[in-house]
This record gives sequence, structure tokens and C-alpha cells, in this order.
Amino acid sequence: AQSVAQPEDQVNVAEGNPLTVKCTYSVSGNPYLFWYVQYPNRGLQFLLKYITGDNLVKGSYGFEAEFNKSQTSFHLKKPSALVSDSALYFCAVRPSGSARQLTFGSGTQLTVLP
Amino acid sequence: ETGVTQTPRHLVMGMTNKKSLKCEQHLGHNAMYWYKQSAKKPLELMFVYSLEERVENNSVPSRFSPECPNSSHLFLHLHTLQPEDSALYLCASRPGQGTNEQFFGPGTRLTVL
Repeated sequence: AQSVAQPEDQVNVAEGNPLTVKCTYSVSGNPYLFWYVQYPNRGLQFLLKYITGDNLVKGSYGFEAEFNKSQTSFHLKKPSALVSDSALYFCAVRPSGSARQLTFGSGTQLTVLP
Repeated sequence: ETGVTQTPRHLVMGMTNKKSLKCEQHLGHNAMYWYKQSAKKPLELMFVYSLEERVENNSVPSRFSPECPNSSHLFLHLHTLQPEDSALYLCASRPGQGTNEQFFGPGTRLTVL
């Protein structure tokens, strides 16, 4: 069975500092990996995905994520955080080449302090 | 906005009520999903309707009943709910086979008294 772990419920970072939101996964075979963001009173919004190719994936709003197969991780990063980045972030995984559905993590609340 | 709409945005109901949640997309997507979002828990996939498959999470109680009359509309019928069913219910759609991103609606905040 596939699973996703987001070990931190809450991440706080000062505006202008780099941020990292952690995600590790477990899946049979090669993974498809995703990050979504949820702002208050809104649905989830797609940020970026890893399917194949370059391990560093760039997405919306200056976010990027690095796929590390040996560590089964897909951490979300941004070089310089903005207060407007404060939101709930979800990591998700599904096996490649499969019709199986996405499995989401429990989410990490990111707060960027001014 | 993602182009996926949900109504109502908020719903308060008693345990004996019957209500329905509605999801609509006119994006030409051919897969639609219901998720339950509870605080500090992973999103729980409840139902999937697509050209390739119809999936039901066997752990979802029968008091939740989905209906998908066409590729643009998805309903979640609710009856005799319990207080623990209070959550944010999210609808999502996906363009088609081989495309992986899902597009989410804003959700319906459900409170069961």
C-alpha cells in the first residue's frame, strides 16, 4: 500500500528566509509525486509534480521540490519565504503506470512571520 | 479559481436530515472525486467517477451516497449523518487518462449537530 508522511504539523519561518516542508513516501515501483497548497476557505491548488526526469522540479509561486529516490523524499522548498505563502501544504503520491488514486499526507501548516 | 464549483459552501444539518452536496465543472474533465478533509488528517478519498473506473472507498459509511448523472456534475447525498461526519468535503476533477493533476473546488464545510 502507498503512503505519505509529512512529519511536521507546523512550520514557522521568518519572511525572507528559506523554507522547507518535508515529505517522505512509500510506494511500489516508481512514484508520481505532487505538492498542493490550500489557502483558508479554499480548495487545494496544484503547485508542482514529479513524474520523471530532473530530480529538481520547479512549480508555481517560486516553489520547487527535490525528488530523492534513495531517501524516498520529496521536500518542498523556496529560497525566500513570503507572508503570503502562509497556508496548508499537502504532499501526495501514486504509483506510476497505474490507475490507482492519489494518497495524500496529513498536511503541514506553514506560517511565515513578518 | 480552478473552475470547479461546489454548493453549498456551508451546511449545518441535524442527524435526521437529508441533504445533498453538489459539484460542477465545465472544464471538459472526465473524472470527478469526493474527498473528506478532517483537521490534521490525510485527505480521505471517498468516491471516484471516471471513464476508466468507479471507485468506492469501502470504509465510507452507507449514509454517504454519490451520484454522477453526467461528466460535469457530481452529487453527494447525505442522510442520518453523525457528528463525526462534520468536516470539509472537497470535490475535484481531472482532465483525463494520463493527466495527473486534480483540480479542486473550494469545498463544503459540513456541520452535523
